[in-house]
Amino acid sequence: EAGVAQSPRYKIIEKRQSVAFWCNPISGHATLYWYQQILGQGPKLLIQFQNNGVVDDSQLPKDRFSAERLKGVDSTLKIQPAKLEDSAVYLCASSFGRRALSANEKLFFGSGTQLSVL
Amino acid sequence: GESVGLHLPTLSVQEGDNSIINCAYSNSASDYFIWYKQESGKGPQFIIDIRSNMDKRQGQRVTVLLNKTVKHLSLQIAATQPGDSAVYFCAENGHQAGTALIFGKGTTLSVSS
Repeated sequence: EAGVAQSPRYKIIEKRQSVAFWCNPISGHATLYWYQQILGQGPKLLIQFQNNGVVDDSQLPKDRFSAERLKGVDSTLKIQPAKLEDSAVYLCASSFGRRALSANEKLFFGSGTQLSVL
Repeated sequence: GESVGLHLPTLSVQEGDNSIINCAYSNSASDYFIWYKQESGKGPQFIIDIRSNMDKRQGQRVTVLLNKTVKHLSLQIAATQPGDSAVYFCAENGHQAGTALIFGKGTTLSVSS
C-alpha cells in the first residue's frame, strides 16, 4: 500500500515570499491533516479535513496560511507571505475515518516538507 | 489547553538493554493514546496504540502501559537495537473523539553498540 506522498521535500525561500506544499493521502482515507513541526518539538495540528470539508482549523494562522482539499483527495497548504518563524517541517497525515466523530483513528504520516525561511 | 509531556528529553542505552520511555498526559478525558517513532528526515511512524479501557498492550518487542490514575503512559522496548535510535512521541486524542491527535515534545533515544 502506498503511503502519504508529499512534495516538495525541501524548500528554501526568503521572508515575505509565498510557498505551497502538496499532499496526496493514502487511497481511501477520508481524513487529512496538516501538522507543523518546529525543530525539537512535537507536531502541532494546523488543519483537519474530512473529505473536502474543514473539521478543525482553529490553530491555522489564517492571515497567512490557507489550505484546500477541493476534490476530497489531494490537498495543498499555502503560506503567503512567509515569516522567519514559519521555518519548520510541514507534515501531512491521513486516516481512514469517514465520519467526523469517528474515534481512535491511527494517523499515517508522510515524510514532510522542510521549509527554511531566510 | 491539553498537552502531552515527556519526562526526559533524551535517553541513552546500550544495545540489548531494555528501554523505558515515559509520558505524562494532562487531559483525563483522553481515551486513546499512540506512540510514534520519528527517524531523522522522516515523518512519525506508528508503533503501538492503547485505549483507555486497557492498562497494557504488547506488540513485537514493544509494550505500552497506561496508568489512568496518575495519567502516565510508558513505552517499553525490549532488547533495544541501534535501529531503535529515534525520537519517540506519545500522542493523545484530547477531549473529543474524532479530533486530531495532540503530540508531546518527544524523547530522543540513542542506542550505542
